Parts: sequence; structure tokens; C-alpha cells
Amino acid sequence: NAGVMQNPRHLVRRRGQEARLRCSPMKGHSHVYWYRQLPEEGLKFMVYLQKENIIDESGMPKERFSAEFPKEGPSILRIQQVVRGDSAAYFCASSSFGGELFFGEGSRLTVL
Amino acid sequence: EDKVVQSPLSLVVHEGDTVTLNCSYEVTNFRSLLWYKQEKKAPTFLFMLTSSGIEKKSGRLSSILDKKELSSILNITATQTGDSAIYLCAVMIQGAQKLVFGQGTRLTINP
Repeated sequence: NAGVMQNPRHLVRRRGQEARLRCSPMKGHSHVYWYRQLPEEGLKFMVYLQKENIIDESGMPKERFSAEFPKEGPSILRIQQVVRGDSAAYFCASSSFGGELFFGEGSRLTVL
Repeated sequence: EDKVVQSPLSLVVHEGDTVTLNCSYEVTNFRSLLWYKQEKKAPTFLFMLTSSGIEKKSGRLSSILDKKELSSILNITATQTGDSAIYLCAVMIQGAQKLVFGQGTRLTINP
């Protein structure tokens, strides 16, 4: 039973480019969460999705960031026009309803 | 605003020592408290606590929740170098299905 799969593991972008991070939840999980971790900090909640629905996006920056979890395929976190401050590790987690969250290994974004 | 605070932020001990990590929280609607261990990659799940006063154990690790004091502790006995990691405490908010994390405790075990 594969765990939460994230790709790419490492992504380098220049300022102004777009970054797309993908997350496939654990088998049987229909809830996906995205968290951001800056160096030496804890994880900060960004968004919680179920299939085709955004349930809670209270942690998402209002501009440039978007997330989706389509009926088919992985969840995507999209960052448009990246800036240096977007450099961070982005972790995806999945769960069944009410269950504990299991995390992927993260995607490390570096903006040059 | 929901808040989770961990202490200490950093701890260095010798192999064989016992350590206690602290987590306190102020949240609007508590559902459960979770501990994770993060080495270089994904946080890995350790414990989920929902009831006050009931200790959960896994090998040398144990944890307990005190809802009256709005806190939890994570104990590690007979520490080993492999216990070196960042330990994250998080609170699940009732109805919101999201975790609010503390800033983590960086534990270093020296041989």
C-alpha cells in the first residue's frame, strides 16, 4: 500500500515562473491537505480538499496560489509568478474522514 | 487565533538520557492532539490523543494529554541517536478537519 506520493521532490524556478506540485493520496483516502514549511518553522496549513471540492482554504495566500483535487488524478498546488518568499517545503497529507493525517515526503521549491 | 506552542525549541542530550517534550494549545474547538516525528523528510505519525489522562505508549515513547491544562507531553526514555529529529505537536480542530502545528522541538542525541 503506497503512501502519499508527491512530485517533484525538488523544483527550481526563477522569479515570475509557475510552480506545479502534485500529490496522490494514500489508497482509500479522499481528503487531501497542503501544508507549507519554512526553514526552522512548523508546518502551516494552507488548504483542505476533497474530490472536486475545496473545503477550507483559509491558509492560502489570496493571490497567485490555487489548489485543486479533480475527480481523476492527483491534487495540484499551483503557484503563479513565484517570488523568493515562496521557497519552502510543501507537504501534502491525506486521510480518511476523522482519521490521522499521513504525510508525503514533500516538494522542496527553490525560487532563484 | 488557534495556537500551539512547543517547548523547548531545541534540546541536546546524551544517549541514554530521558527527555520530556512539551506542547500547549489554545484553540477554539479541540478535537485531538497528535505528535509527529520529522527527520529529513515526511513527518511520521507517532500518537493521537483524544482523552485526558490516558497514556499512549509505543516502545520507548509515551505521551499523555491533560485537557484541563491544555497541554501534552511526549516522553522518550533511554534515548538513542536515531531519536534525533524534530518533534511536531499538532491539534486537530473540531469541525475544521485541519491540523494546527506547533513550531517543533529539535532534539539532538549525542553518542
